[in-house]
Parts: sequence; structure tokens; C-alpha cells
Amino acid sequence: GEDVEQSLFLSVREGDSSVINCTYTDSSSTYLYWYKQEPGAGLQLLTYIFSNMDMKQDQRLTVLLNKKDKHLSLRIADTQTGDSAIYFCAENYGNNRLAFGKGNQVVVIP
Amino acid sequence: EAGVVQSPRYKIIEKKQPVAFWCNPISGHNTLYWYLQNLGQGPELLIRYENEEAVDDSQLPKDRFSAERLKGVDSTLKIQPAELGDSAVYLCASSSDANTEAFFGQGTRLTVV
Repeated sequence: GEDVEQSLFLSVREGDSSVINCTYTDSSSTYLYWYKQEPGAGLQLLTYIFSNMDMKQDQRLTVLLNKKDKHLSLRIADTQTGDSAIYFCAENYGNNRLAFGKGNQVVVIP
Repeated sequence: EAGVVQSPRYKIIEKKQPVAFWCNPISGHNTLYWYLQNLGQGPELLIRYENEEAVDDSQLPKDRFSAERLKGVDSTLKIQPAELGDSAVYLCASSSDANTEAFFGQGTRLTVV
């Protein structure tokens, strides 16, 4: 079945860049997503990338996709305290069926 | 415009009791999803509805879990009887169709004691 792997914890100083990594298994996935979850809140879609793209930039967010290695990363530039949250990558394996990773907790140190 | 609304936000019940969760999707969204999120894990799909039809319920434990979306709008997810291992966050999401962005509700945190 689909399997999405993420590392668990990252601490970063305010103003620095943070990079979160993810690997996925289903090469036929059409879209790959990054979601943000703050304590007690639902999942918020941050950005997504179509499988035929290598990179997507959206303000402070940069998504890199390496299809050969099935590796997805999210770079947050100028990390702010409001970026403290759990970040999930997810692959869409058809009909919006999303397979999520375990999440990566990002703690921003002021 | 209101997002996906779920209630209750929190529920504590004793094991073997029944429990139900309610979801009101975004107006006009035909596709509705229920996800289960265990502590420290990512969400896992339980069931997906296209209007009132459950088109993907392969991950729903049908011995104790049931769901319905009778008029193709609101949906309820029921557990009967609840077990200790059912303690988790139950997330509802909706999308215009199965190919567009899914929006998530805040979830219902269930604690079974």
C-alpha cells in the first residue's frame, strides 16, 4: 500500500530557514501536498505540487520534488513563530484519497 | 463562508458505549471524507462519499463503525460499541469533487475511558 515517511521533529531559530523532508512510495500519485496542523486545529493545506513539476515557490514556501527518488521537501524561508506546528506531507493516489505521513513537528525558537 | 463544521469538538465516553460525530461540509461540496488521526500519526481515510453514496469504505471497520450521508449534505459517523483503542481525533473533510482540494474541519477528539 501507499507509505509516506517523514522525520519527526525539527527546531529552528526565528528568521532561519527550515526544511522538512518526506518520501513517498506511489509513483503514480498526481499531486503531492503539504498540510499544516496547529494545536487543536484541523489540517490546513499550505501548498501542493503537481507530479510533473520539479519545484514550486509560493511566497516563503518552496517545494522541491525529486520523482526519481520519490522525495518531497518543503522549505520555509524566514521562519516565524507562527510557523510552529506539525507539517504533514500527503500523496493523492487517486480520487482525492490522501495518504499522509506521520508528520514533522516544527518548533520555532524566538 | 463557513468551513467544514464538526461537532462535538470533544467527547469523553466509557468503553462499550455508543458515540456519534456530526459533520457539515462546505456548501456545494459533493465529496465528503471521514479520517481517523491517532496520536502522533497522520490521518487515515475511513470513508469517502460522493453525494449520498459511500464510494470508498474499505478502511472502515464495519463491525463497530457506521456512517451515513442521507441527503448528500451532512454526515454522521457512529461507533457502537466504543473501545479504548478508538480514542483519537476524527476529522471530516469536503471537496467540490474528488479531484479538487479537500478542506478539513477541526475534528472531534474522542477519549474512551
